[in-house]
Amino acid sequence: QSALTQPPSASGSPGQSVTISCSGTSSDVGGYKYVSWYQQHPGKAPKLMIYEVSKRPSGVPDRFSGSKSGNTASLTVSGLQAEDEADYYCSSYAGSNNLVFGGGTKLTVL
Amino acid sequence: EVQLVQSGAEVKKPGDSLKISCKGSGYTFTTYWIAWVRQMPGKGLEWMGIIYPRDSDTRYSPSFQGQVTISADKSINTAYLQWSSLKASDSAVYYCARQYQGSGNYLVFDYWGQGTLVTVSS
Repeated sequence: QSALTQPPSASGSPGQSVTISCSGTSSDVGGYKYVSWYQQHPGKAPKLMIYEVSKRPSGVPDRFSGSKSGNTASLTVSGLQAEDEADYYCSSYAGSNNLVFGGGTKLTVL
Repeated sequence: EVQLVQSGAEVKKPGDSLKISCKGSGYTFTTYWIAWVRQMPGKGLEWMGIIYPRDSDTRYSPSFQGQVTISADKSINTAYLQWSSLKASDSAVYYCARQYQGSGNYLVFDYWGQGTLVTVSS
């Protein structure tokens, strides 16, 4: 099972919006509504930001939103803040009780 | 307060065996799946497998099947990840993570342990 494809890096200035993509196949991203996004600050454990493509767990700011089109999912961070600078990972259910992560995107707030 | 507390860092030699742990508290341990996730130095997350502590139902990623063993002791609210013969390439941070029950899929994780650094070197 190959990892999902994410851009290695993304950046934006405070207050701007940035979108991170996550490309898979019809066997994972395109085949299921179970795409999640995790935020990871250096040296810390990941934090769930988005699940089921576009849902936010309690406590996650509505500046974070998710979507999906075909085999590609996206995470958009609006109104960028300094604390949003982190690594972001997508994951997708891949059938047969299997999960695949993306390679991660380092988001820099300029 | 939900917590997953993992065992401390380990330094081992190639060929050694190892078992690391993840103790859950603040919730009913037996009714949530617990997953293990690997993060090699400077790299991304990799899902290894998952266990349901109530009945020890265990599922593995194809990439890790046969390479590690996941187990749980529900009497002490603890999940384990073990190796019988470590390799240098097993050097990584290993996280345990709890199933998020707000999702219709059990492979979504809301609480994570602090991570256990495993270093394998001769």
